[in-house]
Amino acid sequence: TQLLEQSPQFLSIQEGENLTVYCNSSSVFSSLQWYRQEPGEGPVLLVTVVTGGEVKKLKRLTFQFGDARKDSSLHITAAQPGDTGLYLCAGGMEYGNKLVFGAGTILRVKS
Amino acid sequence: DVKVTQSSRYLVKRTGEKVFLECVQDMDHENMFWYRQDPGLGLRLIYFSYDVKMKEKGDIPEGYSVSREKKERFSLILESASTNQTSMYLCASSATGNGNTIYFGEGSWLTVV
Repeated sequence: TQLLEQSPQFLSIQEGENLTVYCNSSSVFSSLQWYRQEPGEGPVLLVTVVTGGEVKKLKRLTFQFGDARKDSSLHITAAQPGDTGLYLCAGGMEYGNKLVFGAGTILRVKS
Repeated sequence: DVKVTQSSRYLVKRTGEKVFLECVQDMDHENMFWYRQDPGLGLRLIYFSYDVKMKEKGDIPEGYSVSREKKERFSLILESASTNQTSMYLCASSATGNGNTIYFGEGSWLTVV
């Protein structure tokens, strides 16, 4: 069974601080997705990375896929209250169309 | 933009009732999924389908069935609802080969009393 460990589980920070969320596995993934979910809503796709070592930026968010495609990180610069939510990483399996999800990181940004 | 629409956002059903959760996607995606999301347990895959009339069990299929008669529609059926099926249900779809990227609907909150 492929597992994706996400850390930290909870993060409460002040507006303006930086933070990093990690997803790690002993398995190789064909792709890695990051989602953000607000209470009562479905997860919304932020980014998909498919190449080892790939870095993608989305405004203040920077996503990195590890060289060996076993891990990924999400870095937020100068966090804002609007960044509050549940962040989920998901790894695409080498064969088939399913994803393996991390348990999620609950982020709270206080103003 | 990909649109995945779940027919009911909030439902309250009685124990033993038959429940249908409907999902429609407008991007001609081959693959469709049903997940449930519970605090502390994360997202768990119930069933998925990679083609019309095709279905495969996910991690927690017990107590559920699915139907995919048309490519754009994937239905989740609870034959006899129980209180432990109270949860947030999420439908998703994806195109084969698109980096496994899946797109979610807004979710359906089901309460079984």
